Amino acid sequence: AQSVTQLGSHVSVSEGALVLLRCNYSSSVPPYLFWYVQYPNQGLQLLLKYTTGATLVKGINGFEAEFKKSETSFHLTKPSAHMSDAAEYFCAVRPLLYESGGFKTIFGAGTRLFVKA
Amino acid sequence: DTEVTQTPKHLVMGMTNKKSLKCEQHMGHRAMYWYKQKAKKPPELMFVYSYEKLSINESVPSRFSPECPNSSLLNLHLHALQPEDSALYLCASSQVGASTDTQYFGPGTRLTVL
Repeated sequence: AQSVTQLGSHVSVSEGALVLLRCNYSSSVPPYLFWYVQYPNQGLQLLLKYTTGATLVKGINGFEAEFKKSETSFHLTKPSAHMSDAAEYFCAVRPLLYESGGFKTIFGAGTRLFVKA
Repeated sequence: DTEVTQTPKHLVMGMTNKKSLKCEQHMGHRAMYWYKQKAKKPPELMFVYSYEKLSINESVPSRFSPECPNSSLLNLHLHALQPEDSALYLCASSQVGASTDTQYFGPGTRLTVL
């Protein structure tokens, strides 16, 4: 079975500082990995995804993540935090396609990012 | 247009009421999803529709009844709900093709059951 663990339910950084949100996964097959962001009272927005190929993935809003198979990690980083980055971030893994179509995305518990002025 | 719309934004209902949530997308996606999200928790999958047919039901109580009348619309009919059903209900859509496809989420309906 696949699962995702996000280390730290809350992360606080100063504006301009490095953002590092940690995600470890468990999967018996090569995983598809995702990071989503959720702003208050909104739905989820895809930040980036890893499927195959290059292990360093660049996403929107200056975020990037690196897939490290040996460490079963997919940590999210941003060199310089902005106040607008304050939100909930979810790491997710996606298993095989269902035979009947569609798929199930397994989300981590989420990490709330606070950005201090 | 990569938008998934949901109506209403907020809904308050009593335990004896019948109400419906609506979701719409015009991206040509043939897979649509309902998720339930409790406060400070990740989304939990409820239902998956593929080509307008129910493909996944994650053991959801029968007081939640999904319906996909056409390829652009997804409804969630609610009846005899419990206070613990209060949550944010998210709709999403995607292509039916591979697990790598992007899933687009709507803004959600905030449901309160009194």
